[in-house]
Amino acid sequence: GESVGLHLPTLSVQEGDNSIINCAYSNSASDYFIWYKQESGKGPQFIIDIRSNMDKRQGQRVTVLLNKTVKHLSLQIAATQPGDSAVYFCAEEKDAGNMLTFGGGTRLMVKP
Amino acid sequence: NAGVTQTPKFQVLKTGQSMTLQCAQDMNHEYMSWYRQDPGMGLRLIHYSVGAGITDQGEVPNGYNVSRSTTEDFPLRLLSAAPSQTSVYFCASSYLDRGYGYTFGSGTRLTVV
Repeated sequence: GESVGLHLPTLSVQEGDNSIINCAYSNSASDYFIWYKQESGKGPQFIIDIRSNMDKRQGQRVTVLLNKTVKHLSLQIAATQPGDSAVYFCAEEKDAGNMLTFGGGTRLMVKP
Repeated sequence: NAGVTQTPKFQVLKTGQSMTLQCAQDMNHEYMSWYRQDPGMGLRLIHYSVGAGITDQGEVPNGYNVSRSTTEDFPLRLLSAAPSQTSVYFCASSYLDRGYGYTFGSGTRLTVV
């Protein structure tokens, strides 16, 4: 079946460096994508989203890039901090109020 | 404004027992859903609802029932618990309009022995 997946299960970066977390999706009908951060023992926390009619969206220290040609989504975190250490999930949705499908997650570890 | 509230936080069941996981939100969100998360894995959708009186199945609905009698509440029922249902369960809600993401509860850790 169609699914959302991630290339790297663990990413280790130095504090202050930029982080890039990647995600590949296979459902070409998906038109809405969300990045979530999940800290240990907590529920996923919304970071940033992007609609399929956009290829880039910026938030505070975070940028999401969408490449529909190769069905690829990435999350860039600028000046990574220890508090950014968590598991990051991408998720996709085909229609509003429909099924939100999650990828397998990438663990980001920030070294001081 | 409490957000999404899940109860209980922890539960141990014996195989064959039934129970209901509670989920309530106070944000007037139309959409509510239940996910399960197994160790080291992403979240899988169990059931979802786009409004009171409307429910639909997600990816892994077998062994679970839901109902949506009010906008605020979306309980998840385990009919006859099995060890394979040991997991962390998350409830999430959102507006149907895009751009707000989904708000998740803090989870219920369920162990079936």
